Amino acid sequence: DSGVTQTPKHLITATGQRVTLRCSPRSGDLSVYWYQQSLDQGLQFLIHYYNGEERAKGNILERFSAQQFPDLHSELNLSSLELGDSALYFCASSARGGGLTDTQYFGPGTRLTVL
Amino acid sequence: AQKITQTQPGMFVQEKEAVTLDCTYDTSDPSYGLFWYKQPSSGEMIFLIYQGSYDQQNATEGRYSLNFQKARKSANLVISASQLGDSAMYFCAMREERSNYQLIWGAGTKLIIKP
Repeated sequence: DSGVTQTPKHLITATGQRVTLRCSPRSGDLSVYWYQQSLDQGLQFLIHYYNGEERAKGNILERFSAQQFPDLHSELNLSSLELGDSALYFCASSARGGGLTDTQYFGPGTRLTVL
Repeated sequence: AQKITQTQPGMFVQEKEAVTLDCTYDTSDPSYGLFWYKQPSSGEMIFLIYQGSYDQQNATEGRYSLNFQKARKSANLVISASQLGDSAMYFCAMREERSNYQLIWGAGTKLIIKP
């Protein structure tokens, strides 16, 4: 158990809908990262928050947004969902804001299925 | 260009044998870090081992060790005395300063341990 929690574990929804994925980092960690893992794309970095502020953006679609709250938990909002958004969404946390040795620890993931 | 290359899409290994999973990387940054993660069929991403570019010795963590050959730009993961529970996807990832320390991921190797 990494100490990173994600809810829900599974989510099934329809195209065009909006969903919110939630992540709580390990105790004491200030950074939260979101990743998307799909069969054909591998692991894709979406966005990084550090202590409430956006630190870096990756391949995140405009339909997706995220935030990190004062208690350091984070939410990833996915809207106007398409079939291609079906994937495993991971949250990871690390102690600091980056750096070579700032290891990321992953949550169990949320499996999103868009029908 | 691919920054992280894992040339073995899949491997079968007999239980109790040692296994080497290949990873080559591409960077011109003198300062970088290399990570290995394990993803069992249950889906979670588990951190295994870290090697820094300036580390003088190869990293080891229990049955996991990293065969780091800097000149060849390779960071192969060695698992000694493999167990059935080692069956999983294994991902190599790199972090470098010029990429703002974001993890860059390989495509993964699926390892299956045969009894």
